[in-house]
Amino acid sequence: AQKVTQAQTEISVVEKEDVTLDCVYETRDTTYYLFWYKQPPSGELVFLIRRNSFDEQNEISGRYSWNFQKSTSSFNFTITASQVVDSAVYFCALSEEPGSARQLTFGSGTQLTVLP
Amino acid sequence: GAGVSQSPSNKVTEKGKDVELRCDPISGHTALYWYRQRLGQGLEFLIYFQGNSAPDKSGLPSDRFSAERTGESVSTLTIQRTQQEDSAVYLCASSPRTLGGTGELFFGEGSRLTVL
Repeated sequence: AQKVTQAQTEISVVEKEDVTLDCVYETRDTTYYLFWYKQPPSGELVFLIRRNSFDEQNEISGRYSWNFQKSTSSFNFTITASQVVDSAVYFCALSEEPGSARQLTFGSGTQLTVLP
Repeated sequence: GAGVSQSPSNKVTEKGKDVELRCDPISGHTALYWYRQRLGQGLEFLIYFQGNSAPDKSGLPSDRFSAERTGESVSTLTIQRTQQEDSAVYLCASSPRTLGGTGELFFGEGSRLTVL
């Protein structure tokens, strides 16, 4: 069975600090997909990134970067120079079905608070 | 609007009553998902619809839960004889289900159900 663990329940940082959100996953499949979603106070989850298991290149998008390490089954998410608008719950998720997000398994989420 | 629309946004009901939650997906999205999010927790998969295929109901927690979808349009999630443990936010998401696509899910803002 697949499992996603986000050990950090809550993190608080001061604006402009860098912050890393941890995600550790378990799966028996050799092909799988990892996701990060952001859930702002409005409640609507917003897709941030999808990573295929066969692509271990790290990715950077503006202030966001992701570090995928198959050896440690981790897919960590770093926000550089955090801003108040980054405050949200962030979910890491895993899917074993190629090409779609069917039956995503979500972690329990990390509540990030960025203080001005 | 162009996004996933859910109604009602909030529903308070008495234990034992039936409730119906509605989801209007993004036009043209063939895949539709229902998830449940209990307070402070991750998302639990409930049911998945893909076009005219038989739905994947493997996540429904009991026979009090059912969902329908007509073609590729609106879906309704029905909870019969509600219990207090059914209190949660019920999130609907849709996806274009394009092979090789990003696997991104587009979420609605959820229906918050409170069972007294």
